[in-house]
Amino acid sequence: AQSVTQLDSQVPVFEEAPVELRCNYSSSVSVYLFWYVQYPNQGLQLLLKYLSGSTLVKGINGFEAEFNKSQTSFHLRKPSVHISDTAEYFCAVSEGSGGGADGLTFGKGTHLIIQP
Amino acid sequence: GVTQSPTHLIKTRGQQVTLRCSSQSGHNTVSWYQQALGQGPQFIFQYYREEENGRGNFPPRFSGLQFPNDSSELNVNALELDDSALYLCASSFGTNTEAFFGQGTRLTVV
Repeated sequence: AQSVTQLDSQVPVFEEAPVELRCNYSSSVSVYLFWYVQYPNQGLQLLLKYLSGSTLVKGINGFEAEFNKSQTSFHLRKPSVHISDTAEYFCAVSEGSGGGADGLTFGKGTHLIIQP
Repeated sequence: GVTQSPTHLIKTRGQQVTLRCSSQSGHNTVSWYQQALGQGPQFIFQYYREEENGRGNFPPRFSGLQFPNDSSELNVNALELDDSALYLCASSFGTNTEAFFGQGTRLTVV
């Protein structure tokens, strides 16, 4: 079974500053990794995903993440945040070698607060 | 996209509820998640080509159906107060590929 730990429940950052949201996972098999964003009263939108290949993954809205197998991490970064980035961010993992029947395992989320 | 109905629902403890989802056209897989307040979504189950393909740690009173016309249902019997949550439907083409989420149904059990 896999698990996901998002180390920060809340991250305040000033507008136009860089941000990193941390995610660590635990799994005994190969994994697929995802970052989703959830705006208030909305569903989840996929920001980016790592399935295989290059460990640096670029997503939408200027976000990127780096897969580090030795540290079992998949941290999300953005070089300059905007007020519209205020939202809840979820890291998720699925079993890469399996058929996906166990669904996605999500972390508890990190609330990104952009301060003007 | 993926659409869910209704958006909000209030039910009494002990009642039964049916939530509906319309998948993205052509997607053959639908998954359902429960998101309690302040928590990440938890996997309930997945349907692939109208058969249950996998299940999370949820009791049998949570059941589902997937229809050939891109629609699906989540049924919950004997509602409990702890069932109050946002229920999310996600569809995909394949069981372990990118999933697209709906806006969710907010269920309140009183």
